[in-house]
Amino acid sequence: SYELTQPPSVSVSPGQTASITCSGEKVGDKYARWYQQKPGQSPVLVIYQDSKRPSGIPERFSGSNSGNTATLTISGTQAMDEADYYCQTWDSTTVVFGGGTKLTVL
Amino acid sequence: EVQLVESGGGLVQPGGSLRLSCAASGFTFSNYDMHWVRQAPGKGLEWVSTIGTAGDTYYPGSVKGRFTISRENAQNSLYLQMNSLRVGDTAVYYCARVRTTVGMDVWGQGTTVTVSS
Repeated sequence: SYELTQPPSVSVSPGQTASITCSGEKVGDKYARWYQQKPGQSPVLVIYQDSKRPSGIPERFSGSNSGNTATLTISGTQAMDEADYYCQTWDSTTVVFGGGTKLTVL
Repeated sequence: EVQLVESGGGLVQPGGSLRLSCAASGFTFSNYDMHWVRQAPGKGLEWVSTIGTAGDTYYPGSVKGRFTISRENAQNSLYLQMNSLRVGDTAVYYCARVRTTVGMDVWGQGTTVTVSS
């Protein structure tokens, strides 16, 4: 079965750039999505079609996807961006999530 | 306002059954595929099932044969019938709207299912 692998945790200083990777076989041939989940809240879509932002998502969130790696980048990271982030794609008719990455802003 | 509201969670013994509901409002429910996604305590997101606009259904191996997703468009409602529940099914269950090529753009608040003796 298809798998997506994310680092369990990433740390970043306020104002710096955070990058969260999502690795999967030829994931670049599929669309990647990213979801943000803060403690006690439901997930929120922050990136779709590899690099597009839904309405209301700040411009500091961006994405890319090529080869075996999709990447979520947060520029000028703010304290409010501290959350768990999940990548997601489709494999045939199966929805696949990465294991999630806890982003700490310190 | 576009909204999804889950209900039906609770405490059930191993081997028992539970039916979850998801009430949709603020959009034309029949036009969208829908997912159920769960999250075990302290764990990540796990896809549980999908139902298409034509009623086609999809499941991962972990729940296939035990869970059944269905929809009632006239009632703007999504359901998840869960049978033969296991301790490992303990989780918060979310329903989510799917926009084709976009992904899960609307999520409910979740309903908690606890399977324990």
